[in-house]
Amino acid sequence: QITLKESGPTLVKPTQTLTLTCVLSGFSVNTSGLGVGWVRQPPGRALEWLALIYWDDEKRYNPSLSRRLAITQDTSKNQVVLTMTNMDPVDSGTYFCARSNFRAWFDPWGQGTLVTVSS
Amino acid sequence: SYVLTQPPSVSLAPGETANIPCGGINIATKDVHWYQQKPGQAPMVVIYHDSNRPSGIPERFSGSNSGNTATLTVGRVEAGDEADYYCQVWDSSGDHPAFGGGTKLTVL
Repeated sequence: QITLKESGPTLVKPTQTLTLTCVLSGFSVNTSGLGVGWVRQPPGRALEWLALIYWDDEKRYNPSLSRRLAITQDTSKNQVVLTMTNMDPVDSGTYFCARSNFRAWFDPWGQGTLVTVSS
Repeated sequence: SYVLTQPPSVSLAPGETANIPCGGINIATKDVHWYQQKPGQAPMVVIYHDSNRPSGIPERFSGSNSGNTATLTVGRVEAGDEADYYCQVWDSSGDHPAFGGGTKLTVL
């Protein structure tokens, strides 16, 4: 069974850096043709893609957020880590990680982790 | 960036057919994927590559893609189909995924 599970802080202060971890099960982060992406969703709003990393360490970032994002993979722990700098209250929401077929769809998704940015 | 446009909401009675559009310039040249998201849950793919259903998705769910509009069709809608539906493509110019703004399907 393929699963992904997000973890990280539930509350961060403005200007702080957010670090989220996505632990993979049932497949390896370095499986050819696959990747892991991060998508966020502010409360009551639409999905917004953030970043994507492929088996060969190729990375893609949302152009509007690229300066604040970094995505890495740890093959020894079979996990993907997303960092977002200079957090703001508008960054509050649920952050999902999901497996990605190469330049295609996301499936399956993790359950998501809720992040609140507040002083 | 490639823009995908969806209506905010679609409402219909049980048993009717829902057609949820996803507009984009020459979207027919792209592979379109559709997700269902119920309240408090993660999204789940219901259609991939325009018209393919993953295992476990009812045959009532189908997809098409032509011209500037892709469409998710939900036949004989039932209360359990109430959810937000998102379309997604690969933006080849930016070389990254793009999501539509989502459509809330309400079964009256």
